[in-house]
Amino acid sequence: NAGVTQTPKFQVLKTGQSMTLQCAQDMNHNSMYWYRQDPGMGLRLIYYSASEGTTDKGEVPNGYNVSRLNKREFSLRLESAAPSQTSVYFCASSLDRGTDTQYFGPGTRLTVL
Amino acid sequence: KNQVEQSPQSLIILEGKNCTLQCNYTVSPFSNLRWYKQDTGRGPVSLTIMTFSENTKSNGRYTATLDADTKQSSLHITASQLSDSASYICVVSAKSGYSTLTFGKGTMLLVSP
Repeated sequence: NAGVTQTPKFQVLKTGQSMTLQCAQDMNHNSMYWYRQDPGMGLRLIYYSASEGTTDKGEVPNGYNVSRLNKREFSLRLESAAPSQTSVYFCASSLDRGTDTQYFGPGTRLTVL
Repeated sequence: KNQVEQSPQSLIILEGKNCTLQCNYTVSPFSNLRWYKQDTGRGPVSLTIMTFSENTKSNGRYTATLDADTKQSSLHITASQLSDSASYICVVSAKSGYSTLTFGKGTMLLVSP
């Protein structure tokens, strides 16, 4: 039982490049989330998926797209990376509603040059 | 606007000593409050969760308190250990919706030998 896994752990991109961050959970959770964490700021929600087949914008969705591939997997795509997207990205999942305990992955540290 | 303020921003204590971290929130309507521990380079891990009716919740050497009237919570760490060195994040849930978690910026605790 690995919990929430994320790939890659580290990534360096040049401005304008694209990439997809992968996330998978093996806890049979319905809801999944993508956050970014920047120095001096709290975690901020980018997108979430309340259940398989649905996705919704969070607090800071601009510049990102998501796909809920199936119940286990939720990916985050940067179509044209910008330096402002340099951050640590966390995927999380919860059994159901947003008020349930969320379980976080180990994070992806992304640098955009 | 929902907000969570944590203090102090950072704290250094000697191993074996106790400490208390503070969290003030303006989140409405209130559902629950969690304390997360985030080790360097890792995702946050839930320590405690408290609902409106709960005043105190313990998890080993961690004891969280909640005063829903004054909208304040504290996390008390007893007999600190080196492994307690981490960021402690207060997270407050509002009752409705999925994107209703408000994260504090965290208190960085360093336990020194």
